[in-house]
Amino acid sequence: ETGVTQSPTHLIKTRGQQVTLRCSSQSGHNTVSWYQQALGQGPQFIFQYYREEENGRGNFPPRFSGLQFPNYSSELNVNALELDDSALYLCASSPQGFGGNTIYFGEGSWLTVV
Amino acid sequence: AQTVTQSQPEMSVQEAETVTLSCTYDTSESNYYLFWYKQPPSRQMILVIRQEAYKQQNATENRFSVNFQKAAKSFSLKISDSQLGDTAMYFCAFMKPYSYSGAGSYQLTFGKGTKLSVIP
Repeated sequence: ETGVTQSPTHLIKTRGQQVTLRCSSQSGHNTVSWYQQALGQGPQFIFQYYREEENGRGNFPPRFSGLQFPNYSSELNVNALELDDSALYLCASSPQGFGGNTIYFGEGSWLTVV
Repeated sequence: AQTVTQSQPEMSVQEAETVTLSCTYDTSESNYYLFWYKQPPSRQMILVIRQEAYKQQNATENRFSVNFQKAAKSFSLKISDSQLGDTAMYFCAFMKPYSYSGAGSYQLTFGKGTKLSVIP
């Protein structure tokens, strides 16, 4: 049990639609990051938020956006869904001043785009 | 950009035996962190072991140990006394912490994974 919870666990969307995925970080963790894991691949870094501001981004288009709230929970929004967006989306939280401390992952949200 | 390569897509090991998973990485950085994560069918990513690049001593966590060769950019995972519960995908990951707007950004770069099956 990592204390990181994600919702929903599974969802199906149609191409062109928009989706919002949610993450509740472990208590005391003020940094949250999101990863996309396609089937048979390793996770790919999407972006990271610290104190409600994006402070790192991977190679993903602007239609992937996020929010972090004062209680450190977070959302991942994807607009104009494409078939290739079908993947497991993982949320991870960590304390600031990382210094190699553990990053805790949630169980992920499975997104299928049809 | 950093890259992480896991050259063994699948491996199997008999219960109670020892198995080694390979990982190589490419970076020009001198200070970084390396991780092995386990992902069972439940899909939750679980940290197995962590290594700081500035430490020469290889990390050990119970039955799990690493062979960290910084010059060769190699970071292999050894699992001793394999158990059925070790069956999972194993991912090697690299992280270079850096400062961005005054706060650290902790981006993990993962390999493609090795599927390990422990056979009774």
